[in-house]
Formats: sequence, structure tokens, C-alpha cells
Amino acid sequence: EAQVTQNPRYLITVTGKKLTVTCSQNMNHEYMSWYRQDPGLGLRQIYYSMNVEVTDKGDVPEGYKVSRKEKRNFPLILESPSPNQTSLYFCASSLRGRYNEQFFGPGTRLTVL
Amino acid sequence: AQTVTQSQPEMSVQEAETVTLSCTYDTSESDYYLFWYKQPPSRQMILVIRQEAYKQQNATENRFSVNFQKAAKSFSLKISDSQLGDAAMYFCAYISDYKLSFGAGTTVTVRA
Repeated sequence: EAQVTQNPRYLITVTGKKLTVTCSQNMNHEYMSWYRQDPGLGLRQIYYSMNVEVTDKGDVPEGYKVSRKEKRNFPLILESPSPNQTSLYFCASSLRGRYNEQFFGPGTRLTVL
Repeated sequence: AQTVTQSQPEMSVQEAETVTLSCTYDTSESDYYLFWYKQPPSRQMILVIRQEAYKQQNATENRFSVNFQKAAKSFSLKISDSQLGDAAMYFCAYISDYKLSFGAGTTVTVRA
């Protein structure tokens, strides 16, 4: 089944404790992206990657890191999480192409205490 | 970042009736796509319909249709014959050059 998977689905952590949210897709998509969803703000793009070893900042990259060492994986790293990073996070992927439909993962609910 | 505005935080519709969700966007680009995504309580993001900016014809997918007014930068979604399964949050989104921008969302409630 073609899909985007994220792990963990739920995470409660404390301020300053490094964490990684994994994202993997099995559709051989070149493009991958991370979003955060907050009430009243919709989804905002954090980082995106157009291919292996190619990443770029989205609209809200502060406090996040990403890497793209393999085509299928695009982990999101929070080196020192803070409470304002409490949010619902989505990973998405698509074929290369400026307007292709993005396929979303199931989301990760992160709470930083 | 491009701006996408959904002015209706919540909408309610009677089952079998029609509801229209509004969306406006701000861009200087001439080439872009617009999307409506549905997010049910499961939180999964589901593509409902897409519109190519260079196409004048409004997109339609079964009970879902759009009214795309390029000059006015307006992109509304009409849900006809509303069903209980249509209850969800709906997001309008704009994409140009790989960057996808979303509106704040409209929560649709369907009354039985």
C-alpha cells in the first residue's frame, strides 16, 4: 500500500530533551515536506526537500532540523524542544513537479512540557 | 509566504443541503494550483479537489465543486447533497514552486 508513515504518533516530552520524528514514504517520491498544524493557523511549512541531500526552509523553520540522506526518509529533529513547539506535525511527499498532489502522513501529536 | 484566507471558522449545514466555503488568496504569480483538503476527526489530510490556475473551467469531483475567480483571487468550495461523512475541517491551499500554503480552516458540521 502506498503510504507515508510517521513515528511516533503521539509523544509527550519535556523541555530541552532532544527528539526525532521519523517520516518514511514508499512511493519513490522526490519531494518531502514537514508541516505543523496549530488551531486558527492552519498548516505551516517547516522544511522541505526536493531530493536527497537537498533541503530548504519553509515558513517556520526555527527550532527544527531535517536531513535527507535517503530518498524514502525525512526525519524532523527538535534539538531542544520548547513548549511553543507543542503541535500536530505532518509529513508529506509528492512526485517531483511544482504542482503535484502532496500525500500526507497520519500526523504526530507532540506535547512539550 | 503566500496568504490564504478562510473567513468562516465554522459552517453548519443540514443533511442533503448545500454549503459553500469561501477562500481568498494573495499572490503575484500567474501559474499555480489551488486545493481543498478535508481533515476528518481521524486527522488524516484528504485531497478533495484541485484547480489549475490557467484553466478557466471550474473543477468538479462528484458532489464537490469549486468556483474559481482568478481575477478576484477567490476559490470557494461547494458541497452539494451534504452527507454526515462530510463533517470535517476543510482547508484551502495554494501551491506555487513547491511551497504549499494553507488557510486556517473551516469546520463543517452536518446536522441530521
